[in-house]
Amino acid sequence: AQSVTQLDSQVPVFEEAPVELRCNYSSSVSVYLFWYVQYPNQGLQLLLKYLSGSTLVKGINGFEAEFNKSQTSFHLRKPSVHISDTAEYFCAVSAAQGGSEKLVFGKGTKLTVNP
Amino acid sequence: GAVVSQHPSWVICKSGTSVKIECRSLDFQATTMFWYRQFPKQSLMLMATSNEGSKATYEQGVEKDKFLINHASLTLSTLTVTSAHPEDSSFYICSARDSTSGRVTDTQYFGPGTRLTVL
Repeated sequence: AQSVTQLDSQVPVFEEAPVELRCNYSSSVSVYLFWYVQYPNQGLQLLLKYLSGSTLVKGINGFEAEFNKSQTSFHLRKPSVHISDTAEYFCAVSAAQGGSEKLVFGKGTKLTVNP
Repeated sequence: GAVVSQHPSWVICKSGTSVKIECRSLDFQATTMFWYRQFPKQSLMLMATSNEGSKATYEQGVEKDKFLINHASLTLSTLTVTSAHPEDSSFYICSARDSTSGRVTDTQYFGPGTRLTVL
């Protein structure tokens, strides 16, 4: 079974500052990793995903994440945030073997960008 | 991009009644849809995997007789909460995977969710 830990429940930052949202996972098998964003009263939108290959993954809206197998981490970063990045961010994992499509989510990190 | 809709977006019902939530993939076909439940300040918990034309697969601890899932077409899955009670109040979210390529790594597209309040 897989599990995901998002270490920060809330992250406040000022506009144009860099931000890192942390995600660690646990799994006995290889995994696929995802970051989703949820804006107020909206569904989840995929930011980026790691399936294989390069460990640095670039996504939409200027976000990127780096897969670190030894540290079992998949932290999300953005060099300069905007007010519009204020949202809830979810890290998720699925098993890469066995054809499973199940996503296991972390508890989410609420990013608040202040002017 | 692919769009998944849910209806209704919110519903309030009396204890003991049943509520049906619809999940539709608007511009793609989905042989597999997923139903999640989200509690405040908590993560999404997978309830069941809905497969078109066959029975849903429920996660451990989810009562299949209480949460009835029907996936009658490639674009529609429904979740019926039967004999709802206040503890069933929650945010229910569905997702659908574009089945065109058949790859399990294809993106899951999420609906906007349905807020259920049982009085």
